Amino acid sequence: GAVVSQHPSRVICKSGTSVKIECRSLDFQATTMFWYRQFPKQSLMLMATSNEGSKATYEQGVEKDKFLINHASLTLSTLTVTSAHPEDSSFYICSASDPGSNQPQHFGDGTRLSIL
Amino acid sequence: AQRVTQPEKLLSVFKGAPVELKCNYSYSGSPELFWYVQYSRQRLQLLLRHISRESIKGFTADLNKGETSFHLKKPFAQEEDSAMYYCALEASGSRLTFGEGTQLTVNP
Repeated sequence: GAVVSQHPSRVICKSGTSVKIECRSLDFQATTMFWYRQFPKQSLMLMATSNEGSKATYEQGVEKDKFLINHASLTLSTLTVTSAHPEDSSFYICSASDPGSNQPQHFGDGTRLSIL
Repeated sequence: AQRVTQPEKLLSVFKGAPVELKCNYSYSGSPELFWYVQYSRQRLQLLLRHISRESIKGFTADLNKGETSFHLKKPFAQEEDSAMYYCALEASGSRLTFGEGTQLTVNP
């Protein structure tokens, strides 16, 4: 079945560091990828929709300059948390879909980000 | 704006008992609804979607537009069903809105 790979699975870094998270679709072309954030014991909150070859669409309240998204190819989207602070510590999950195939979104394993 | 509500954060049943995980939604358009499941230490995966009208692992869910509900049901719960279950609604552009999730525990 379709697989989405997310890397790294865990990051621990100092406050002020920028952190890049990669999301890859391994056996299908993903014209659209999604980035979610999940706080402990809470639901997944959509942060942004990443479209290949165009700018990402951010949800209300999500700072686009803080969370930079790049979707340069049909198999890779990256999320960069710039100048991360402790309040950015969370679980970040990506998903990928090919709308033309009418298939549901496939999720990555998530990245646990901890900012000290 | 769309909204998905799962009123129960925790649900505990005994093996062999029926189980129902509740999901209610609000959406002005024609909804497409899903149930996702997350087993311990595994990624989120699709369990079923309402347009398929299928049964997966013994689970079924019927969309009730009158009650704006999409409850997940299984007549006889198994221990391996213990997991976190999320109800989700797909809006325009394939954007998913998730409910808060229900942690199901099936006791032996």
